[in-house]
Amino acid sequence: QVQLVESGGGVVQPGRSLRLSCAADGFTITSYAMHWVRQAPGKGLEWVAVISSDGSDKWFSDSVRGRFVISRDNSRNTVSLEMHSLRVEDTAIFYCARSTMGVSAAGAAFDVWGHGTVVTVSS
Amino acid sequence: DIVMTQSPDSLAVSLGGRATINCKSSQSVLFSSDNKNYLAWYQQKPGQSPRLLISWASTRESGVPERFSGSGSGTDFTLSISSLQAEDVAVYYCQQYYNTPRTFGQGTKVEIK
Repeated sequence: QVQLVESGGGVVQPGRSLRLSCAADGFTITSYAMHWVRQAPGKGLEWVAVISSDGSDKWFSDSVRGRFVISRDNSRNTVSLEMHSLRVEDTAIFYCARSTMGVSAAGAAFDVWGHGTVVTVSS
Repeated sequence: DIVMTQSPDSLAVSLGGRATINCKSSQSVLFSSDNKNYLAWYQQKPGQSPRLLISWASTRESGVPERFSGSGSGTDFTLSISSLQAEDVAVYYCQQYYNTPRTFGQGTKVEIK
């Protein structure tokens, strides 16, 4: 069964760091760009970051650029999101998702999503 | 950034009725080199993660019921549910994957009248 499983969420104080992981099961991530998408409580979907299939190309939303780092370990079939200088407004469910094709330009829809991991930033 | 604007924000439709959701992009998402619209529709049921329903503006994913259909080109798109079922209660999002950042519409909540 093709699935993505996120982990690493929790409650953290503002200014601290947290590392999320996304493990793929039933497929190998080497052929896919991998994305992180978040959803604040009661709000819509916000794209956060993407990493290309070989890890050479990475893009971030303006709201997290300079604070978040995305990486992947194709040998372990996992993707990670390191979040630094966390803010209250980063509180959200974080989903990882896969897509084929391009990263910075025209690409593909997100055809597999994880169940999400909850990040709460609060003092 | 490409801004995606959906309308309405919510709608209530009778069981068996037709639901229509509109999505407008701030610039065209039609790629001239392949004549494809880089536009997707997702369904998110309460407490669940999003599910891809339609890609390339009108291509239904495997397993998606035929009552879901997508149309439109360039900057104006529509998701239609031809005969609303109870299990279709959800929030629906459009998304462009024409460029980065990949942006979503604000969502449209579909309920039963």
